[in-house]
Amino acid sequence: DTGVSQNPRHKITKRGQNVTFRCDPISEHNRLYWYRQTLGQGPEFLTYFQNEAQLEKSRLLSDRFSAERPKGSFSTLEIQRTEQGDSAMYLCASSLPGTTSYNEQFFGPGTRLTVL
Amino acid sequence: LAKTTQPISMDSYEGQEVNITCSHNNIATNDYITWYQQFPSQGPRFIIQGYKTKVTNEVASLFIPADRKSSTLSLPRVSLSDTAVYYCLVGGSSARQLTFGSGTQLTVLP
Repeated sequence: DTGVSQNPRHKITKRGQNVTFRCDPISEHNRLYWYRQTLGQGPEFLTYFQNEAQLEKSRLLSDRFSAERPKGSFSTLEIQRTEQGDSAMYLCASSLPGTTSYNEQFFGPGTRLTVL
Repeated sequence: LAKTTQPISMDSYEGQEVNITCSHNNIATNDYITWYQQFPSQGPRFIIQGYKTKVTNEVASLFIPADRKSSTLSLPRVSLSDTAVYYCLVGGSSARQLTFGSGTQLTVLP
């Protein structure tokens, strides 16, 4: 399978714990995005990387959230001191370089986080 | 940021053509219109993208009038497996601009 992969698929944690999610984009895609999706809503943009550089961040990305993309390959999203409001599906997407490629993103299956 | 408005839900029957209209009155000159499909517990999947007039691919057509303030996604001869949420998005000049709304829940009935 050459699509976007995310691990783990599910994560249950207790409030106050730190969690880290991993995303492996499609190999030739240099653009990588993280989104958060809650029940009944569309995905909300969190952050964007072009290669290893984090170029855009949403104000939704509080200081408890940090994302990295070392060497421009896989990416990790860490949430520190989790809160119950962080419970959501965290989606990763990637796309090719190009003028309109922001629009044609390839999404992974997501990591569902439940904070107890 | 351009906002979109689309119906919350639609029902159709197998074999029918389904048209989902999205309004985006504040679309900017350099914005593209993009539609995604999402099944439960999966990430969204790109369906089609356009700038003006009509675009067609193997799964759908996208109709965009001259003023670009709305667009219509057309799904020919839907099947039960087309039951999903469909999102209309406008933007494209930056990653942040691509904003998903609440989408349209399409239910295809037998």
